[in-house]
Amino acid sequence: QKEVEQDPGPLSVPEGAIVSLNCTYSNSAFQYFMWYRQYSRKGPELLMYTYSSGNKEDGRFTAQVDKSSKYISLFIRDSQPSDSATYLCAMTQGGSYIPTFGRGTSLIVHP
Amino acid sequence: GAVVSQHPSWVICKSGTSVKIECRSLDFQATTMFWYRQFPKQSLMLMATSNEGSKATYEQGVEKDKFLINHASLTLSTLTVTSAHPEDSSFYICSAEPKTSGGFKNIQYFGAGTRLSVL
Repeated sequence: QKEVEQDPGPLSVPEGAIVSLNCTYSNSAFQYFMWYRQYSRKGPELLMYTYSSGNKEDGRFTAQVDKSSKYISLFIRDSQPSDSATYLCAMTQGGSYIPTFGRGTSLIVHP
Repeated sequence: GAVVSQHPSWVICKSGTSVKIECRSLDFQATTMFWYRQFPKQSLMLMATSNEGSKATYEQGVEKDKFLINHASLTLSTLTVTSAHPEDSSFYICSAEPKTSGGFKNIQYFGAGTRLSVL
């Protein structure tokens, strides 16, 4: 079992839909959680980061962490075609630990 | 803020030649820089971690003599693919972790990536 599991998709939704992207993990020591967006042939761009359980909102994006279930989510409201990209989750114990990345979920928002 | 510049964005070279890729943190000092390799539709595969002024730490299975990493300053790391072969063709991405005295740690900021094609 991989430390971080993420469904590669693709996930195809119509414009305006609410998108839910998820990752599960097995290491209960993970404390910091991040979401990155990667457009084709580009480097990942940091979208959200959270510490421990709870929700964090930034514009149309909401990151949610449930440590008891070892489950994190990224919600995108009013999705746009420009949101079409691969979304990678990442998490770490902090300190000198290097983040562990999920394999990414490909999202397609069609007009 | 937190911009990482990676150059070149695309390089084509002949088999047997060496290619150098640069990674610069433009507006922050990076304690640590990372080099990843990414195959199509796959996740990031960490190749090595480099700290300024010290030798890079390579992940298992990554040839040190093949992928030379130099981290000469807090804002610059280079990856040299030596004697490149077609199987080295891939997308290489660097990232940098800001030197921070507190707050959220372990955030990595990524460069735009370098597409290497070895003929």
